[in-house]
Formats: sequence, structure tokens, C-alpha cells
Amino acid sequence: SQQGEEDPQALSIQEGENATMNCSYKTSINNLQWYRQNSGRGLVHLILIRSNEREKHSGRLRVTLDTSKKSSSLLITASRAADTASYFCAQIQGAQKLVFGQGTRLTINP
Amino acid sequence: GAGVSQSPSNKVTEKGKDVELRCDPISGHTALYWYRQSLGQGLEFLIYFQGNSAPDKSGLPSDRFSAERTGGSVSTLTIQRTQQEDSAVYLCASTRDGNLPLHFGNGTRLTVT
Repeated sequence: SQQGEEDPQALSIQEGENATMNCSYKTSINNLQWYRQNSGRGLVHLILIRSNEREKHSGRLRVTLDTSKKSSSLLITASRAADTASYFCAQIQGAQKLVFGQGTRLTINP
Repeated sequence: GAGVSQSPSNKVTEKGKDVELRCDPISGHTALYWYRQSLGQGLEFLIYFQGNSAPDKSGLPSDRFSAERTGGSVSTLTIQRTQQEDSAVYLCASTRDGNLPLHFGNGTRLTVT
């Protein structure tokens, strides 16, 4: 079964705007990870946030984690055409099984 | 260094045939995962290997699917008597520690005709 779900399923914005994607999960976590997938490629790790962290930054990426609501958000600021991709959150389920949500398909329009 | 390598990158097979998909993880990575991704969908967990421990096979969809990891390195995913619903991209990933980020290969696109 899926551990997390992303919202929205698809997002289309203009270049330069900010993009926000959300992830909800069901059980307690040690950490939550965000990945990007360009069309026809494997996933690339973006950022990992631990359960005792509330916010983390990496370049134009900002991730927040609310363990009380079992949710996380990924914000991409000043979006670029190259940010067009699918974005997935992932969490450990059980011992070591990393499970992914269905993803958010982000399209940046020039 | 080299990343996770998967072969073949594309495989077309006839329904009923067996296929083997190969994954070469990053050297030194003890954890290896297989996932399946149908067109436009998320990743479906298939199987997880960690060192010499018994693999977590809880995601394998049927007994037609099996995987092995020889010598703690290369892994093969075997699908017997392929069906059209097996058509998908099969992704392999590895990591040094199951709690660390995964490194993915570019996948094998399997088409069953």
C-alpha cells in the first residue's frame, strides 16, 4: 500500500512563479524524502528532512514537515522551464521499505 | 563514479515469454530496491535486498515475479510467462543504508505484445 500521497496530481504555472506541492502520509516516520523524475529517466534525490526538523532549504527548494498533521510540502521558488518534471515524496514503511506516492506532474510554461 | 546501471534499457517480448532484467548497483551499496512504474503513475515497490538479510518480497505482484542478488552486488528481476499488464518501466535503486537517499538507474522499459 502507498505510504504517502502528493497533491495536486498536476500543476501548471508560468516561469518565475513559485510551485508548491504537498505530501501526506499515514504512519510515523524517521525521515521524508523528495525526488524528481524527468521524463524517461530514473528518480533523482532532492532533499531529505528528518522527523525532528520542521524546515529545510536547498537552493531554490524549501521543504517543510508537520509531523502532527503527517504532511510535508515542497516549494520551488522562481521556477524555471528545467523544473518541469514529476515530483515524489517517499517514506520508510516498516523496517526499510521506501515507498513513494503517485507524484505531482509539474509543468513550467515559458 | 558510475551510477546504477540497468540493462537492457528497452525490452519488447511476446506474451508468455520469460524476461530477465539486470541491475548493477553502485559499488559498496548494500541495499537494493526494485520498483515498477506504469505509464504516468507512481512507483510500485516490488522487492528490497539489504546485505545478507532475507529480502523483503512483499511487493512482488505474483509468483511469476522473482529476484535474486548474487554476491551482494548485481541483481536480476525475472518475470516468467509475461502478460500484457507487466508492461511498465522497471526501476532499480541502491543505497549504502536503507535510511539514506536512493540512487536510481534509468530503468528498463518492458513492453509485452
